[in-house]
Amino acid sequence: SQKIEQNSEALNIQEGKTATLTCNYTNYSPAYLQWYRQDPGRGPVFLLLIRENEKEKRKERLKVTFDTTLKQSLFHITASQPADSATYLCALKAAGNKLTFGGGTRVLVKP
Amino acid sequence: EAGVAQSPRYKIIEKRQSVAFWCNPISGHATLYWYQQILGQGPKLLIQFQNNGVVDDSQLPKDRFSAERLKGVDSTLKIQPAKLEDSAVYLCASSLVKTSFATEAFFGQGTRLTVV
Repeated sequence: SQKIEQNSEALNIQEGKTATLTCNYTNYSPAYLQWYRQDPGRGPVFLLLIRENEKEKRKERLKVTFDTTLKQSLFHITASQPADSATYLCALKAAGNKLTFGGGTRVLVKP
Repeated sequence: EAGVAQSPRYKIIEKRQSVAFWCNPISGHATLYWYQQILGQGPKLLIQFQNNGVVDDSQLPKDRFSAERLKGVDSTLKIQPAKLEDSAVYLCASSLVKTSFATEAFFGQGTRLTVV
């Protein structure tokens, strides 16, 4: 069966350090992978997208890698700030334009 | 640009009652999604429309849930009768359809449903 797995344990990190989140998937051949941020009581907000033929994508302090051999994406927040505290969701878009989410990883950045 | 609008924001009903949620997507967005998000979990896709046709409803509990998208714009999601396990946030999202470009989904704030 198809699965998208993210670390369900919260990630506690000191301000200024790099947070690294993992998204693993099985039985998918995604055209591309997306990362979203979700704050309590709000809907997810799109952050970054990476295509299957791209290895790495950057946006300000965010970096995403995509390894289709390992079936894994890594999401990095460099120089983390307390305002980065939120839940981060990965999502895959495969055939049929269907957008499927992982369970999310909560990040808490401590000052 | 106006975002995805959802109403109501909150709803409390008793089990076995019915409830309906409304979504107005971003203008021009052909794809509309309904997701169910249980506390502490990621969003689970219930149904996906492209214009007013259903693309995927494989995870929609069709014995109690129904959804429609009239004229390819607004959409309603209905639950009848509700069960305790339906307590969740119901998120609506929309996106453009571009065959050659990847597009992101824009989400509404969601409707928090509590079934007692």
